[in-house]
Amino acid sequence: EDQVTQSPEALRLQEGESSSLNCSYTVSGLRGLFWYRQDPGKGPEFLFTLYSAGEEKEKERLKATLTKKESFLHITAPKPEDSATYLCAVQAVGGAQKLVFGQGTRLTINP
Amino acid sequence: DTGVSQNPRHKITKRGQNVTFRCDPISEHNRLYWYRQTLGQGPEFLTYFQNEAQLEKSRLLSDRFSAERPKGSFSTLEIQRTEQGDSAMYLCASSSRDGSYEQYFGPGTRLTVT
Repeated sequence: EDQVTQSPEALRLQEGESSSLNCSYTVSGLRGLFWYRQDPGKGPEFLFTLYSAGEEKEKERLKATLTKKESFLHITAPKPEDSATYLCAVQAVGGAQKLVFGQGTRLTINP
Repeated sequence: DTGVSQNPRHKITKRGQNVTFRCDPISEHNRLYWYRQTLGQGPEFLTYFQNEAQLEKSRLLSDRFSAERPKGSFSTLEIQRTEQGDSAMYLCASSSRDGSYEQYFGPGTRLTVT
């Protein structure tokens, strides 16, 4: 069964303090790994898709990387507005279209 | 592109009542998904439509849950005889047919069963 585990569950940083979030996954065959941002009471907001090991994507202060077993979301010099829950999900090859999500990392950036 | 919309945003119901939620996907997206999310957890897949055909259903989708997508446009999710364990955020997402696999989510419907 496909599985995603994210760590840490919660992370508190000072503004400007860079760090990384981890997403470990097991999947029968990876079609894509997805990162989402979710603010309280709202739906997930799409950030990145990664398709193969070694791939990297960047957007503002965020950079996502992928290996065969895990993905990292690096946050450089974060600002308070980066505070949110970050969700990682995988989609397996084949007919299945569903995303399998991890439980998320709740990130708080203190000014 | 107006994004995925869901109605209502909040629903409070008494145990045993039926509820129905609506999802309008991004226009021209032929794939539509329903997920359920409880506090502190990631979304869990419920069901998937390609056009009007329901192609995947999770084991989480008990007989009390039914989803439709008539004419391949909007979708409805109905829960019959609601239970307190049904309290959750119900999320709808859509994706396009162009080979990219990103799913774009709506704001969700928060269901509270009392």
